[in-house]
This record gives sequence, structure tokens and C-alpha cells, in this order.
Amino acid sequence: GEDVEQSLFLSVREGDSSVINCTYTDSSSTYLYWYKQEPGAGLQLLTYIFSNMDMKQDQRLTVLLNKKDKHLSLRIADTQTGDSAIYFCAETGSSNTGKLIFGQGTTLQVKP
Amino acid sequence: KAGVTQTPRYLIKTRGQQVTLSCSPISGHRSVSWYQQTPGQGLQFLFEYFSETQRNKGNFPGRFSGRQFSNSRSEMNVSTLELGDSALYLCASSSSRGLETQYFGPGTRLLVL
Repeated sequence: GEDVEQSLFLSVREGDSSVINCTYTDSSSTYLYWYKQEPGAGLQLLTYIFSNMDMKQDQRLTVLLNKKDKHLSLRIADTQTGDSAIYFCAETGSSNTGKLIFGQGTTLQVKP
Repeated sequence: KAGVTQTPRYLIKTRGQQVTLSCSPISGHRSVSWYQQTPGQGLQFLFEYFSETQRNKGNFPGRFSGRQFSNSRSEMNVSTLELGDSALYLCASSSSRGLETQYFGPGTRLLVL
């Protein structure tokens, strides 16, 4: 089946690292994604990882993928107040076409 | 390069009416997917079009339909609107090279009264 689970809320202090976790069920997904949504806006693609990779780093963002446990995480280093948003993880699922299966989203609150 | 554009941005309709939403993908992108976002159900996939053909369809009633034109622009239509259709409708485009280039538009916020 296709299901993606995320914790709903995370609060951190400015300057700390944030780690947002996600579990998925479909091991045949080719890509796994992280999207950011600010209030009243659409989804912004933050980063993605190909399923045969364990880690991807992109400036302040680090994605870790544990295929055995079907666990994906997004680490944001030196979190800023501008990082406050909802973060969605998504997988391509078995279709591996333009259909994404999204988690419920994690609201990240960054306190000054 | 211009991003994904969606029109209109906001829409108010009454129950029973129909609505058409438009999405223009990033230049060169051939795949357009549509999603519905609501507080209760989250982000749910509606359908995907690639080269004018529907390639994938989500679990929505037949009142929800779509199409894609030869220039890759896409429209979705919802007939006989219900209160529960109030949502943010997002479209995303990706190139034929692969899913890693999937980008979303700002969405159309539909309110059904």
C-alpha cells in the first residue's frame, strides 16, 4: 500500500538544528521528496533523493534515507525564523509517474 | 524561466455550479499533475496528464475531470460543486526527463458556498 506518515509539529530555537522525520510504505518509490509550504502559498520543492542513495546534502539541508526501515529525514542546520513553514515529505509510489503521495505535513515553528 | 502559473488564484462559487481551473506549466515541461489540498484530507492526487493523455487518476468522483492541450497547458473542471470541494487546488509540472523536476504552482483557492 501507499502511505506516508509524519509527526505534526516541531518547535526549535533559532540557530538550532531541526530534524523532521517521515516514514513511507512503498519500497518501490524511485524518488522521495521534501517540500515546504508557507502560509497562503503553493509547495516549494526543497530537495529530493533518489532511492539508491543514503544521503544528500544541499547547503543547510541534509536528507537521510534508510531504505530498510523506510525512513526519511530532513535536517535543517542553523534554523532561521524564515524556515517556519509546513514541511511535506512525498514519495512517487509504485506508479513512478507524476503521482506523489504526501504525508500530512510537519509544522516547524522557529522561536527567536 | 517562468514558474508554473495557475488562474484564477481565488474563486467563489455556489453549490451546484461548475468551475474550470487553468494551469500553465514551466516551458518545456510535458507532465502536469493536479492535487487537492484540504485541512482534513491533506494533499490528495487528482490526475496527471502527459502529452495530452491522462496517465494517472486518483480516487475522486467523476465530477472531477481534466484535460491537457498540445501546448501542455492543462485545465481541470469540477461540475455540480459541493461544499466539500472547497480547497486549494495545486498543479505541478515536470519535464519528460524525470520526476526530480516536479514544481508546483501557487494554487487556486476555491470556496464553495
